[in-house]
Amino acid sequence: DGGITQSPKYLFRKEGQNVTLSCEQNLNHDAMYWYRQDPGQGLRLIYYSQIVNDFQKGDIAEGYSVSREKKESFPLTVTSAQKNPTAFYLCASSNRGGGNEQFFGPGTRLTVL
Amino acid sequence: SQKIEQNSEALNIQEGKTATLTCNYTNYSPAYLQWYRQDPGRGPVFLLLIRENEKEKRKERLKVTFDTTLKQSLFHITASQPADSATYLCALDGDNFNKFYFGSGTKLNVKP
Repeated sequence: DGGITQSPKYLFRKEGQNVTLSCEQNLNHDAMYWYRQDPGQGLRLIYYSQIVNDFQKGDIAEGYSVSREKKESFPLTVTSAQKNPTAFYLCASSNRGGGNEQFFGPGTRLTVL
Repeated sequence: SQKIEQNSEALNIQEGKTATLTCNYTNYSPAYLQWYRQDPGRGPVFLLLIRENEKEKRKERLKVTFDTTLKQSLFHITASQPADSATYLCALDGDNFNKFYFGSGTKLNVKP
């Protein structure tokens, strides 16, 4: 099946620890995205990548880092510098260019204790 | 960037009626506007895209309109069903077409 996967679905971490969220797609999409969603709020863009080995900051990149070493993979690291990391994290992919629909993964709910 | 407003109050309607959801934006007019459906605890699913030069788009029971003068898109679900109950998000392309800005969504409750 073609699709986009995220793991794990639930993640618990202690304050001050870095944590990496996985995102993999087999849709052959060039573009990949990371969003954060808080209760009652829309999706806010953290980072996006249009091509391998290149990525750009979104609106709320502080405290996060990414890499894009392979077309299929776009892992997100939530660092200890992120002041309020508890949230629902969504990864998406799409073809490059304007107007293309984004395919979303099932999300990872991160809770920092 | 872009400010997007969707009604934060839930929309409650009776099965069989038409649901109408609103998406307003305040800055530049986007070249593309998309609507997504999101169920609790899951990722959004794409429904429809409309371009700036299109006034209306339809897909089965769904209809989207786009008024660049009013800076508004309306999303209609005709003959609504309880299975249509979900949160609906609108998304507008960013200034470089490589990213989208999402609204906070409107929750639709369709009662049998």
